[in-house]
Amino acid sequence: GAGVSQSPSNKVTEKGKDVELRCDPISGHTALYWYRQSLGQGLEFLIYFQGNSAPDKSGLPSDRFSAERTGGSVSTLTIQRTQQEDSAVYLCASSLASGRSADTQYFGPGTRLTVL
Amino acid sequence: GESVGLHLPTLSVQEGDNSIINCAYSNSASDYFIWYKQESGKGPQFIIDIRSNMDKRQGQRVTVLLNKTVKHLSLQIAATQPGDSAVYFCAEGYSGTYKYIFGTGTRLKVLA
Repeated sequence: GAGVSQSPSNKVTEKGKDVELRCDPISGHTALYWYRQSLGQGLEFLIYFQGNSAPDKSGLPSDRFSAERTGGSVSTLTIQRTQQEDSAVYLCASSLASGRSADTQYFGPGTRLTVL
Repeated sequence: GESVGLHLPTLSVQEGDNSIINCAYSNSASDYFIWYKQESGKGPQFIIDIRSNMDKRQGQRVTVLLNKTVKHLSLQIAATQPGDSAVYFCAEGYSGTYKYIFGTGTRLKVLA
């Protein structure tokens, strides 16, 4: 597609349930990022994938959060046993990651997660 | 962390006037800077970028100015339109790292 796509756009779940959020990056972009944007907060880095390298998971807030990227393209962010404080907008971004210099990150529309 | 949301600084401008949104960046080693626009309910949208070997770059109705001496970045929007109403925030990065530092957002309100 022309841009980064994310699904679902909205997700309402009950506390304790697991959720999966999907990101489809721009074709050809090797770098993929997940961020969380809570009300009243800035962008919080969660995880970074680059090609076949081991992902940088340093931003994941707890072991309930995990992410995968299959085939170097689509990524899934999974939150297990959701808590109310997980309610936020989850944003995915991708970049070309040419390696020559810092690259522009392009964002998807986000998934708004509400945990009741 | 930076705040983007309810308690953002707000800039209100009259439709047709020029807007200037400012950002102070933190890392003197940063060599790449981006401005994003985020409308309500949407993801951040790339507006314009600039590398540290430049001090000014122009796009369509937008100009980014970079002052490395005082680590300051600004976004100028000419002839502001109602569709420009959004939260604007800057990001800085530098070669050799993949993480950005995101600035505090500014809410732009365009008054008819």
